[in-house]
Amino acid sequence: DSGVTQTPKHLITATGQRVTLRCSPRSGDLSVYWYQQSLDQGLQFLIQYYNGEERAKGNILERFSAQQFPDLHSELNLSSLELGDSALYFCASSVAPDDQPQHFGDGTRLSIL
Amino acid sequence: TQLLEQSPQFLSIQEGENLTVYCNSSSVFSSLQWYRQEPGEGPVLLVTVVTGGEVKKLKRLTFQFGDARKDSSLHITAAQPGDTGLYLCAGAMDSNYQLIWGAGTKLIIKP
Repeated sequence: DSGVTQTPKHLITATGQRVTLRCSPRSGDLSVYWYQQSLDQGLQFLIQYYNGEERAKGNILERFSAQQFPDLHSELNLSSLELGDSALYFCASSVAPDDQPQHFGDGTRLSIL
Repeated sequence: TQLLEQSPQFLSIQEGENLTVYCNSSSVFSSLQWYRQEPGEGPVLLVTVVTGGEVKKLKRLTFQFGDARKDSSLHITAAQPGDTGLYLCAGAMDSNYQLIWGAGTKLIIKP
């Protein structure tokens, strides 16, 4: 158990809809990262937060947004969903913004019908 | 352009065989990490290598960081079905807060 909790585990919705994915980081970790993983592919970094502030941005679409709250949990919002957004979305956390290693949750599997 | 190239992309071998997975780049990394991801789970850190030329062993797994800190390898001796998974390397740069991820090597060990 990594200590990182992601909910929901599975999400099925339709094109055009909006969903929110939730992540609680490992106790003591201040930095949260979001990744997208398509079938049988590597991880695509989306965005990173540290202590409530955006720290780094990767290949995140404009239809996607995220935030980190005062209690350090984070949410990833995906809107105007398209079929190609179907993927595993992982959250990871670390103690400091550039401190490795990262501890990963078990992901949210998003299926767009 | 992939900054970190992993090879092979896919490897299927029999239990008991040895194998090596490579992670190569033209960039210099301050450290490099190896993760293993099993189906339905998130990646789990195996090791971090920091010093050029460093070799770390984790039971049957041997990790090496290149002298120039541009490449790394993972060698598995006497592979077992439990080694099956997606192996990912990720490099950290001093100038960047992000980890740079390789695309992964999918490893299947057949009993």
